[in-house]
Amino acid sequence: DTAVSQTPKYLVTQMGNDKSIKCEQNLGHDTMYWYKQDSKKFLKIMFSYNNKELIINETVPNRFSPKSPDKAHLNLHINSLELGDSAVYFCASSPTSRGEAFFGQGTRLTVV
Amino acid sequence: EDQVTQSPEALRLQEGESSSLNCSYTVSGLRGLFWYRQDPGKGPEFLFTLYSAGEEKEKERLKATLTKKESFLHITAPKPEDSATYLCAVRSMEYGNKLVFGAGTILRVKS
Repeated sequence: DTAVSQTPKYLVTQMGNDKSIKCEQNLGHDTMYWYKQDSKKFLKIMFSYNNKELIINETVPNRFSPKSPDKAHLNLHINSLELGDSAVYFCASSPTSRGEAFFGQGTRLTVV
Repeated sequence: EDQVTQSPEALRLQEGESSSLNCSYTVSGLRGLFWYRQDPGKGPEFLFTLYSAGEEKEKERLKATLTKKESFLHITAPKPEDSATYLCAVRSMEYGNKLVFGAGTILRVKS
């Protein structure tokens, strides 16, 4: 299936831990994103990569570090997790930096 | 000031009762307005892209229209399976082409 896939779907962890979320797209798109959806369901962009190059970096704590090993992958590493990091994180991709974005199924992160 | 505002926040319809959802935007240099559908526990599903005022797109019971200040998502004779959160997003030169989302409209269609 052609899609944007991210793992894991659920992640429960303790405060202070470090965790990673992986994302892969097989749509052949040039641009990938990380979005955060908070408890009010508001989707906000965190990062955007175009051909492995960071092009959007919103005001996100330095504890969040994206990494794009190649055009089809964009991973998100989070250090020293805090309670407020609990949210659903979505990976997405688009054909170019201006096209419609296609989203993965989300990773629900719960920090306890 | 919010760049993208959706109304109403929630909408309950009877099956077959047509209605419209609104998305108003204040950005300049619009580079695209996008509609998505999101079901509980899933990622947003792309529906339409509109680029210029006067443009319309249709898919089954949904029709999206665009003016210089807002977009409407018209739902004709909705069915219970149309129940979802509908999200609107814009890309603009003003905000570096990033996709900025509204808060969404939760639609419930009762049979």
